[in-house]
Amino acid sequence: EPEVTQTPSHQVTQMGQEVILRCVPISNHLYFYWYRQILGQKVEFLVSFYNNEISEKSEIFDDQFSVERPDGSNFTLKIRSTKLEDSAMYFCASREAGHSTDTQYFGPGTRLTVL
Amino acid sequence: DAKTTQPNSMESNEEEPVHLPCNHSTISGTDYIHWYRQLPSQGPEYVIHGLTSNVNNRMASLAIAEDRKSSTLILHRATLRDAAVYYCILREGYQKVTFGTGTKLQVIP
Repeated sequence: EPEVTQTPSHQVTQMGQEVILRCVPISNHLYFYWYRQILGQKVEFLVSFYNNEISEKSEIFDDQFSVERPDGSNFTLKIRSTKLEDSAMYFCASREAGHSTDTQYFGPGTRLTVL
Repeated sequence: DAKTTQPNSMESNEEEPVHLPCNHSTISGTDYIHWYRQLPSQGPEYVIHGLTSNVNNRMASLAIAEDRKSSTLILHRATLRDAAVYYCILREGYQKVTFGTGTKLQVIP
């Protein structure tokens, strides 16, 4: 069964450093998402992306965050200058265009630790 | 998003059926009822969804009340692998998934 993959599984970085989290969505999917989950808290929506544009973003997704689909397979989340509070699990998700009930398929996540 | 209410936690014995309830009294006519689950240290996983009629798939069944103000996710035979947090979510169309706190299901061997 096709699945969303994410790399790396765990990223450790120093505060103020830039990180790029990578995702490979399911191949025929056209809508892409990033979510995060701080330890012990809810899964929170960050951003949705379609047709090379951000279609929706939450208030968490400020100027420090950006997303990109640099080629036909990858979808990336960049955090320009990490803060301690960015430590969380980051989940990528994708869905197939034209599916009226919009089932999103999630990746296994990247654990980001900011020291 | 319309609000859902779920118990914080439930327990089930292994190989017994589990009924996970969800109340959604403010559901609108176009809201679909979705269930996702999150196994420990994993990403959320789609389980099932429905609009008005009961639904079955290989993972579970979804029973929807006639007035749609509540629904129940049914796991027919709980296994240890079913221990997870189960989220009941209302979604209209192509919206982002908004997760609540869900029901933490413990399966007892």
